[in-house]
Amino acid sequence: DAGVTQSPTHLIKTRGQHVTLRCSPISGHKSVSWYQQVLGQGPQFIFQYYEKEERGRGNFPDRFSARQFPNYSSELNVNALLLGDSALYLCASSSSTGKDTQYFGPGTRLTVL
Amino acid sequence: AQSVTQLDSHVSVSEGTPVLLRCNYSSSYSPSLFWYVQHPNKGLQLLLKYTSAATLVKGINGFEAEFKKSETSFHLTKPSAHMSDAAEYFCVVSDMIKAAGNKLTFGGGTRVLVKP
Repeated sequence: DAGVTQSPTHLIKTRGQHVTLRCSPISGHKSVSWYQQVLGQGPQFIFQYYEKEERGRGNFPDRFSARQFPNYSSELNVNALLLGDSALYLCASSSSTGKDTQYFGPGTRLTVL
Repeated sequence: AQSVTQLDSHVSVSEGTPVLLRCNYSSSYSPSLFWYVQHPNKGLQLLLKYTSAATLVKGINGFEAEFKKSETSFHLTKPSAHMSDAAEYFCVVSDMIKAAGNKLTFGGGTRVLVKP
């Protein structure tokens, strides 16, 4: 079975632009979570979606938004990019929420110039 | 809120010797705890998971971790390091959030170097 897939692999943007990152969960998983990993640090929670509804949001500005589609794939959108948004963006999927294990994709490396 | 402290930012071991990665957590209730590994330029791979069953948890690639509630610790060990174990390791606690969601809270990571 395919694991979590993310696209694109790498992305270069300039300050002020907008970016959309995509994630497809493991087949049968209904929950998707997004994390930001700045170089040299552990990942930080951004969002969790389950059955197309937001179940949680981390301490990120409103420039960050996400949504989940009927097929359980998800998009993370970031507006008005800042240099500090440069990071590895990780998507994780799980069967549901609660104590279910989250399985991670390979990530999207975003560089903001 | 939960928090996780990894006591060593870097650990260097010789191939064939034991590995010990230390982790302490804070939790207001019975936590779910995980260890994930991240190889360079890769995503996160689950090593093992504790969810209030046996306190000694066995994972993949010969790793195991022991949950000690009295010490709020969840240290990761491996009897004999292999060159392929060189990576960054994250201790993680699962935190319940509103609307029945959950988020993972990561420690700062421990980078493991394995010397031949």
